Amino acid sequence: DTAVSQTPKYLVTQMGNDKSIKCEQNLGHDTMYWYKQDSKKFLKIMFSYNNKELIINETVPNRFSPKSPDKAHLNLHINSLELGDSAVYFCASSQRGRGVGTEAFFGQGTRLTVV
Amino acid sequence: AQRVTQPEKLLSVFKGAPVELKCNYSYSGSPELFWYVQYSRQRLQLLLRHISRESIKGFTADLNKGETSFHLKKPFAQEEDSAMYYCALFNQAGTALIFGKGTTLSVSS
Repeated sequence: DTAVSQTPKYLVTQMGNDKSIKCEQNLGHDTMYWYKQDSKKFLKIMFSYNNKELIINETVPNRFSPKSPDKAHLNLHINSLELGDSAVYFCASSQRGRGVGTEAFFGQGTRLTVV
Repeated sequence: AQRVTQPEKLLSVFKGAPVELKCNYSYSGSPELFWYVQYSRQRLQLLLRHISRESIKGFTADLNKGETSFHLKKPFAQEEDSAMYYCALFNQAGTALIFGKGTTLSVSS
């Protein structure tokens, strides 16, 4: 009964490949996110979806394409992987709004290594 | 501009010593501030948020609007507190959390 789950946990792949990371939340939240944690542990928002609609798309190469088939899922597809894409990718979800009950819950992360 | 600043990359203390992890923010209006903790190779977990005014695992944080700060404090550090701590705030639209660069807390005996 994990709240936010991501698969796979580890992903090692060669440059130029295409890969996907899946995320699912069972909290009934209406907003989902993808964050990238780089080698210095900096966390940066990549995408934010509210009710399946893209609401934030930070400066991310268009090789990264999120897809939200429904409110409970937000997948991340990456084309033509590059060495610099190596990082830990975190999915998160929250209920949009302010106040108690709107905190974000995170998945366990996907450690992507491009070789 | 909305921004979170954690000036210390690493904070090393001895077990039983007091801890203060600094966080300053830039925000127009009333911010919603959080502290998240990440233990080694684990997911981020919410530690506390300012509106709850809770104390979790002995940690507290007070929002100081005059100093635009939300420092995290604990009177007596434990070895199990060793982790990465992130201060964060919701952006103006409430659509994403903006994180500071994080502070690694290392507690040794």
